[in-house]
Amino acid sequence: EDKVVQSPLSLVVHEGDTVTLNCSYEVTNFRSLLWYKQEKKAPTFLFMLTSSGIEKKSGRLSSILDKKELFSILNITATQTGDSAVYLCAVANNNDMRFGAGTRLTVKP
Amino acid sequence: GAGVSQTPSNKVTEKGKYVELRCDPISGHTALYWYRQSLGQGPEFLIYFQGTGAADDSGLPNDRFFAVRPEGSVSTLKIQRTERGDSAVYLCASSRRGGPTDTQYFGPGTRLTVL
Repeated sequence: EDKVVQSPLSLVVHEGDTVTLNCSYEVTNFRSLLWYKQEKKAPTFLFMLTSSGIEKKSGRLSSILDKKELFSILNITATQTGDSAVYLCAVANNNDMRFGAGTRLTVKP
Repeated sequence: GAGVSQTPSNKVTEKGKYVELRCDPISGHTALYWYRQSLGQGPEFLIYFQGTGAADDSGLPNDRFFAVRPEGSVSTLKIQRTERGDSAVYLCASSRRGGPTDTQYFGPGTRLTVL
């Protein structure tokens, strides 16, 4: 059965820390992996990854995909309280998109 | 519009009632998706529209759930004979063309509570 597993489930850090969020997957006919940030209700798009080894970067956030080992990481450097949210990983195959349960990140001042 | 919008933002109903949830996708997006998110879980796929037709409805949990998109824009998710287990946030997303490498953009969701 297809599955997407995120770890850790929750994480508490202080402002300025660097965090790494993990996403591993077992999905048939993999096409893409996406990261979303969910603060209230609407997940907001962060990255889409389709190729191994190519880092995507946006400000303090970056992400990379390893299609051989079937995982992705999301890095956030110099964390701020505004980074507090649930970070969702989703994997799309030819048919649909399957989400992990998310990592709840809390950044304390 | 600028983004995906959903109405109502919150809906409280009684067990056994019928509810309709509405989604307005981003203008020009041909693909529309419905998801359901329970507390502490990621969104769970329900149904995918390409234009007016349901391209994949394999995620609908049972025949009490139905969705339409008659003009290829606005979509309505309909739930008959609601049950307490239907309580969740219902999220809608749209993408320009659809497909696994086309980014989906989400609306704010409708929080449904069945008493």
